[in-house]
Amino acid sequence: GQQLNQSPQSMFIQEGEDVSMNCTSSSIFNTWLWYKQDPGEGPVLLIALYKAGELTSNGRLTAQFGITRKDSFLNISASIPSDVGIYFCAGQLGGSNYKLTFGKGTLLTVNP
Amino acid sequence: NAGVTQTPKFQVLKTGQSMTLQCAQDMNHNSMYWYRQDPGMGLRLIYYSASEGTTDKGEVPNGYNVSRLNKREFSLRLESAAPSQTSVYFCASSEPQGYSEQFFGPGTRLTVL
Repeated sequence: GQQLNQSPQSMFIQEGEDVSMNCTSSSIFNTWLWYKQDPGEGPVLLIALYKAGELTSNGRLTAQFGITRKDSFLNISASIPSDVGIYFCAGQLGGSNYKLTFGKGTLLTVNP
Repeated sequence: NAGVTQTPKFQVLKTGQSMTLQCAQDMNHNSMYWYRQDPGMGLRLIYYSASEGTTDKGEVPNGYNVSRLNKREFSLRLESAAPSQTSVYFCASSEPQGYSEQFFGPGTRLTVL
């Protein structure tokens, strides 16, 4: 089946630093999604990308849908302690195939 | 709106015991999903239900059964629990079209001894 490679696996940064993480796939997706999971909670959608090349922002978060449709990245600017959590990328083929394939996650720790 | 709710929040079972994890959503979504989350493995799809009355296997269905009781409720059953089923289980729901967000419940933390 399809697999997503998400990197890095974990990051430990100082408050105020910028963060970048990415996902690559061996096959094409038509939608890329980025979720955040707080400790003890379920994942929550941060950003959805629907078109190759699309760049979308949500506050301090910016995500891009790679032009080849096989990759995506997420940037967080000026990190704050509440950014702590696990960030997941997910790909979706779309149309009649609406299941999500998830990356293994990036664990972000922010030191105040 | 409560969104997606799951019960129980925590459960400890002995090997061979059975149990059912409950999930309900109040967003009138047609599609519902069960995932398991293990350290370093991300979220893996166990079973899903595109609409009331249908269920399909996901990536890791062995050892599980599901029931789509009605549009709101989708349960996951472990008939004979094994230590390998120790995990955090998440239920999610969405509309079945492409490009639609999946909304997740808070999870059930299951330990099988």
